[in-house]
Amino acid sequence: EAEVAQSPRYKITEKSQAVAFWCDPISGHATLYWYRQILGQGPELLVQFQDESVVDDSQLPKDRFSAERLKGVDSTLKIQPAELGDSAMYLCASSDNNEQFFGPGTRLTVL
Amino acid sequence: GDSVTQMEGPVTLSEEAFLTINCTYTATGYPSLFWYVQYPGEGLQLLLKATKADDKGSNKGFEATYRKETTSFHLEKGSVQVSDSAVYFCALRHDQGGKLIFGQGTELSVKP
Repeated sequence: EAEVAQSPRYKITEKSQAVAFWCDPISGHATLYWYRQILGQGPELLVQFQDESVVDDSQLPKDRFSAERLKGVDSTLKIQPAELGDSAMYLCASSDNNEQFFGPGTRLTVL
Repeated sequence: GDSVTQMEGPVTLSEEAFLTINCTYTATGYPSLFWYVQYPGEGLQLLLKATKADDKGSNKGFEATYRKETTSFHLEKGSVQVSDSAVYFCALRHDQGGKLIFGQGTELSVKP
């Protein structure tokens, strides 16, 4: 069964350092999403791609966060510099325009 | 803006008890409604969905009915099992391929 892959699963970093997360969507899925899930809350969209183009990044803190999907397949989300408030689960999802399929997430802890 | 509100957790039930998790939404138009489940250490999985008023979504013994008049999509199961212990999220979506807007999640713990 096809799955969304994410790495790393866990990341611990110190504030002001740079971190990067990787996502490989289900093959053939044109739409890719990055969500952030703060402990005790529901996920919130950070950025949505259609192929290699950004469709929605209205909630992405662009002073420190960046996302790319250069070839319209896998994607990288970067934070530089990381802040204490960035500690959260970062979820990637991909869609066949019907259902969104989620990866296992990357749990980020910023010390 | 659009929002989803779920009942506070955690909810603790004995095995075979009846489950209800309340979900209400605020949105313009006619969104699609979803329930997702997150088991410990795993990503979110779609549990069920409904795309228009009065639709009933069902899966694995869980059910939810899209009630436009009360803007609700309550999750129910007649007899819960220990394996149902997880966090449940209610969500809405306006467009196919659009973003999901989630509630805060409700943790369910089922004791033997």
